[in-house]
Amino acid sequence: SQQGEEDPQALSIQEGENATMNCSYKTSINNLQWYRQNSGRGLVHLILIRSNEREKHSGRLRVTLDTSKKSSSLLITASRAADTASYFCATALGAGGTSYGKLTFGQGTILTVHP
Amino acid sequence: NAGVMQNPRHLVRRRGQEARLRCSPMKGHSHVYWYRQLPEEGLKFMVYLQKENIIDESGMPKERFSAEFPKEGPSILRIQQVVRGDSAAYFCASSPRGIGEQFFGPGTRLTVL
Repeated sequence: SQQGEEDPQALSIQEGENATMNCSYKTSINNLQWYRQNSGRGLVHLILIRSNEREKHSGRLRVTLDTSKKSSSLLITASRAADTASYFCATALGAGGTSYGKLTFGQGTILTVHP
Repeated sequence: NAGVMQNPRHLVRRRGQEARLRCSPMKGHSHVYWYRQLPEEGLKFMVYLQKENIIDESGMPKERFSAEFPKEGPSILRIQQVVRGDSAAYFCASSPRGIGEQFFGPGTRLTVL
């Protein structure tokens, strides 16, 4: 199994609806990040939540983190057609050691928002 | 402040040739990461470099792949004697510190014929 697994793999909704994506991971983390990727493009950072935080908001985005369950969720409220993209969670391990900087990505959730 | 730049954006190589992928981090960023993305998959970490030093290369294949980040100039990911399985999108990211948000480049799409 991989660090950072998202579900669902694909999500199709109508404009105006909310979209919720979940991410599970296996090891202790320093922080968890969510990224967005439009087809064929690079990744854009959306939000970072630290291991000592439980919830964070940024515009229409809300991220929660439950370290006891090793899971996170990303909620996009009032979705728009322009939100159509792949969404990835990525974990950064705890401090110390050479792995400090690298991110471990999940497989991603493909979100389609229909106008 | 220009974002992370990668070139070329598309690279076609025949089996056995060498591929050189370049990454210029954002100004002021001394931490560079390389990731590989196969079709319909997430990104897989390859290597983490900090000016002239390889910090973590645990994701790099043992043979044919190498990376550097010289004091001057871009970071280079080099793939020798490419094979069809090397076909993928290669993304570079940079950050000002060794933890936190990473800024990604547009990627280099390598196709091996």
